Amino acid sequence: SAVISQKPSRDICQRGTSLTIQCQVDSQVTMMFWYRQQPGQSLTLIATANQGSEATYESGFVIDKFPISRPNLTFSTLTVSNMSPEDSSIYLCSAQSFTETQYFGPGTRLLVL
Amino acid sequence: DAKTTQPTSMDCAEGRAANLPCNHSTISGNEYVYWYRQIHSQGPQYIIHGLKNNETNEMASLIITEDRKSSTLILPHATLRDTAVYYCIVRPGSSNTGKLIFGQGTTLQVKP
Repeated sequence: SAVISQKPSRDICQRGTSLTIQCQVDSQVTMMFWYRQQPGQSLTLIATANQGSEATYESGFVIDKFPISRPNLTFSTLTVSNMSPEDSSIYLCSAQSFTETQYFGPGTRLLVL
Repeated sequence: DAKTTQPTSMDCAEGRAANLPCNHSTISGNEYVYWYRQIHSQGPQYIIHGLKNNETNEMASLIITEDRKSSTLILPHATLRDTAVYYCIVRPGSSNTGKLIFGQGTTLQVKP
């Protein structure tokens, strides 16, 4: 299995600012993903982080709001830009191993005031 | 939209088997059934997956009906630490997209 870490684990931010979340995997993986979990809700896929190219975004999510990078096979970042209180959520990174099982990080808890 | 239907909540007595059902009547021939759980304030945890044969690992057993339209996750001896939201997800095997589409899941409450 892959062990995934995220930084920061939580943050409180002011509206209008941006936060970059880091995701590190302890082994090489094929695919990496970013999810959002709003309070009391299930997980929603934001995008697939592609190594060396632009991320693939799901309907309702755009690159200007959630820029994503994946410079190598084990690391990715998600930026939440120009934040508003509606962006208060848990943001989760996941990675797919070569056995096609997907593992999740512990999440980043974001509160926007 | 999620392609599975699960009960919203279930209770189970500690030490007893927890049987969590999932309906996936529109499953395609190349789609696997995956189970994850999310304990409060943690990231989802992979439990088990299968295609058509029953599967067992150290955490649970997965029973898939012969027509593959439904499945049951079995936790053989539930403990208080098994209290969580359990998600049943169908996903194509050898998927180039790797997407996991989460529904609302089943909240399992294990009681003393």
